[in-house]
Amino acid sequence: EIVLTQSPATLSLSPGERATLSCRASQSINIYLAWYQQKPGLAPRLLIYDAYNRATGIPARFSGSASGTDFTLTISSLEPEDFAVYYCQQRNSWPLTFGGGTMVEL
Amino acid sequence: EGQLLESGGGLVQPGGSLRLSCAASRFTFNNYAMTWVRQTPGKGLEWVSSITNNGDRRTYADSVKGRFTISRDNSKNTLHLQMNSLRAEDTAVYYCAKDRIPEYGGIWTFDSWGHGTLVTVSS
Repeated sequence: EIVLTQSPATLSLSPGERATLSCRASQSINIYLAWYQQKPGLAPRLLIYDAYNRATGIPARFSGSASGTDFTLTISSLEPEDFAVYYCQQRNSWPLTFGGGTMVEL
Repeated sequence: EGQLLESGGGLVQPGGSLRLSCAASRFTFNNYAMTWVRQTPGKGLEWVSSITNNGDRRTYADSVKGRFTISRDNSKNTLHLQMNSLRAEDTAVYYCAKDRIPEYGGIWTFDSWGHGTLVTVSS
């Protein structure tokens, strides 16, 4: 099973600041990594797929990158609505796995 | 993007059964692979089971294999999860999720999610 380790667990930032979230895979997953945002009481929302690609309707301030087994989600300038929990997910092999999440808090 | 609406959750005793349903609309259901994901209250996301668009391949997490069965009725645009021999650790919100693009075999990235249905296993 591929383990995804997200760091940090919590990121305390202010609106306008840059957020950098990390997801490290325990083995190669090619670029088959997605990022989701989840707000309290709501379902996850797809932000990035296949490491780099923004999903439909996702603002350009969200970007994804990859280097080997290390993946990064960057929010260039935090908006008030961006404070949430972010999860990564790999689709390279079964079982599908999610990271433990990073909370971006005010 | 599509619309998904789960139902069938509730309180059940350990060892009991429940059948979850997910009604799909606003997309061509029979073109898309589908997946169930669960979330323990206050915790992270856990993949449960996936099924290809025509139902010919089904995959399960080890934690539910042999107890849960995923199925779909493409004539009714509905996904199901039959859960038997339920345990306390199955307590979670269960989401159904749709693949991002219609591809035979599935791509397992999810662009639409339901609101979730809560399953509580307790005596």
